[in-house]
Amino acid sequence: ETGVTQTPRHLVMGMTNKKSLKCEQHLGHNAMYWYKQSAKKPLELMFVYSLEERVENNSVPSRFSPECPNSSHLFLHLHTLQPEDSALYLCASSLRWGSGTDTQYFGPGTRLTVL
Amino acid sequence: TQLLEQSPQFLSIQEGENLTVYCNSSSVFSSLQWYRQEPGEGPVLLVTVVTGGEVKKLKRLTFQFGDARKDSSLHITAAQPGDTGLYLCAGAEGNKLVFGAGTILRVKS
Repeated sequence: ETGVTQTPRHLVMGMTNKKSLKCEQHLGHNAMYWYKQSAKKPLELMFVYSLEERVENNSVPSRFSPECPNSSHLFLHLHTLQPEDSALYLCASSLRWGSGTDTQYFGPGTRLTVL
Repeated sequence: TQLLEQSPQFLSIQEGENLTVYCNSSSVFSSLQWYRQEPGEGPVLLVTVVTGGEVKKLKRLTFQFGDARKDSSLHITAAQPGDTGLYLCAGAEGNKLVFGAGTILRVKS
């Protein structure tokens, strides 16, 4: 399979649950990203990993915890979320971090609902 | 963080009509990208513009970067139902892309 894949596609969780989102890219890219997409709001960059090191953490609450075990995989661990965290979570990758002209390739997203 | 404002927020047109969507900022970007996102999918890059005044064409889509590199427009000629989706502009700010909130386009047959 090629491109960027994300699992699960849909997730419903209670505020006391712990869950993880998974992202995988088979493009040989060195940079991976987590974005949050809420209706009528710009995409919010959450985290960036470059060569498996976190290079950006955009003041994201600690209830979101990213993990990048290797250059192809990215996780977002979730615990004690709030209803306002309900959104579409998008993973993306690009050849390198820091180039404004590199294409970011997005996965289909995980639609998260927090009850 | 620089802000990108997109207009209109929503556009519903008939097949065959022309349309233009706008992306504006008070700040300068080194480059600007346009993405299209279809329901249930992630955004897909359409074009990157780098030079002020640059015009790029992609079939029926024409993209323009403002001379001062603060704004951009996307013009679609003879829209088709397959053009339906969320159009996002994104400007390069340092190491990051700053996204606008998007324009939802619906083309009715």
